[in-house]
Amino acid sequence: EAQVTQNPRYLITVTGKKLTVTCSQNMNHEYMSWYRQDPGLGLRQIYYSMNVEVTDKGDVPEGYKVSRKEKRNFPLILESPSPNQTSLYFCASSYRDSYYGYTFGSGTRLTVV
Amino acid sequence: SQKIEQNSEALNIQEGKTATLTCNYTNYSPAYLQWYRQDPGRGPVFLLLIRENEKEKRKERLKVTFDTTLKQSLFHITASQPADSATYLCALDEGTGGGADGLTFGKGTHLIIQP
Repeated sequence: EAQVTQNPRYLITVTGKKLTVTCSQNMNHEYMSWYRQDPGLGLRQIYYSMNVEVTDKGDVPEGYKVSRKEKRNFPLILESPSPNQTSLYFCASSYRDSYYGYTFGSGTRLTVV
Repeated sequence: SQKIEQNSEALNIQEGKTATLTCNYTNYSPAYLQWYRQDPGRGPVFLLLIRENEKEKRKERLKVTFDTTLKQSLFHITASQPADSATYLCALDEGTGGGADGLTFGKGTHLIIQP
């Protein structure tokens, strides 16, 4: 089944403890992105990647890092999480020509206390 | 970056009627515009994409129009059903097209289809 897989689904952590949210896609998509979704603010792009070793900042990159060492994987790293990073996170991927739209993962609900 | 406006209030429609959702953007016209459906706590699901040189696109009960002069897209669901109740998101590419720079999303319109 074609899908984007995020892990974990839920995560509660403490301020300052480094964490990684994994994202993997099995569709050989070139493009991958990370979004966060907050009430009243909608979906906002954190980072995106056009291909392996090519990443760039989105609208809200502060406090996050990403890497794209393999085409299928695009992990999101929070080096020192803070409570304002409590949010619902989505990973998404797409073919080079996004005519078929982006495929989103099921989301990771992160709580930082 | 683009500013995208969608009806911020919930839209209540009676079953069987046509639901029409609006998406307005403020800056340059994107190469294409996309519509997604999102259910509570779940990831958005792609529905339709319309290119700047297309006026209308249809898929089953769904229809999307794109007016670059008005900087507006309309999303229609005909013969609406309670199962169509969800939040619908409009999204634009930020770059020169192709989605390489990811997408900018509107905040979505919550659609409620009442039996």
